[in-house]
Amino acid sequence: AQTVTQSQPEMSVQEAETVTLSCTYDTSESDYYLFWYKQPPSRQMILVIRQEAYKQQNATENRFSVNFQKAAKSFSLKISDSQLGDAAMYFCAYRGIKAAGNKLTFGGGTRVLVKP
Amino acid sequence: GAGVSQSPSNKVTEKGKDVELRCDPISGHTALYWYRQSLGQGLEFLIYFQGNSAPDKSGLPSDRFSAERTGGSVSTLTIQRTQQEDSAVYLCASSFSPSPDTQYFGPGTRLTVL
Repeated sequence: AQTVTQSQPEMSVQEAETVTLSCTYDTSESDYYLFWYKQPPSRQMILVIRQEAYKQQNATENRFSVNFQKAAKSFSLKISDSQLGDAAMYFCAYRGIKAAGNKLTFGGGTRVLVKP
Repeated sequence: GAGVSQSPSNKVTEKGKDVELRCDPISGHTALYWYRQSLGQGLEFLIYFQGNSAPDKSGLPSDRFSAERTGGSVSTLTIQRTQQEDSAVYLCASSFSPSPDTQYFGPGTRLTVL
């Protein structure tokens, strides 16, 4: 079974600085998708960024970028120029191509605090 | 356009009662998922619907949990004889197609069982 591990329960960053969230996963599949979701206090999960495993190029969305290391099964998220609105829980998630039901498997989450 | 909506936003019930949670997916999305978010278990998959196919119920924790999706759109998650360990946030998500499309989440229903 696939597992996703986020080793940092909480990270703190100064406004305008950069923070990196770590995520590792375990799978026997060669093709899959990885996601970072943000969950603010409103509870609604918002997609931040997505990476297809067959793509070597790291995905980027504005101030958010990932470092995808397939051999190491690592998928970290970098938030640059942190803003107060970035404060939230961040979840790393895995979905296999052949996984029954295409369900998402989530990590335990990392709480990001942004200091003004 | 409108996103995924869920109702009620919050639900408080007494142990032993039945509850129904509703999810309205994004129009045109054929795939619908239910997840549960609890302090002890994190985010876990419950059930998945795709079109007219039989649902994937592999994540349902017990036979007290059931779900249906009527007309390929609205879904209802039913929990019978609720227990205190059922207290959690129940999240619904939908996607245009099962793969590789991104899942879009609703705001969730917070269920509290007293």
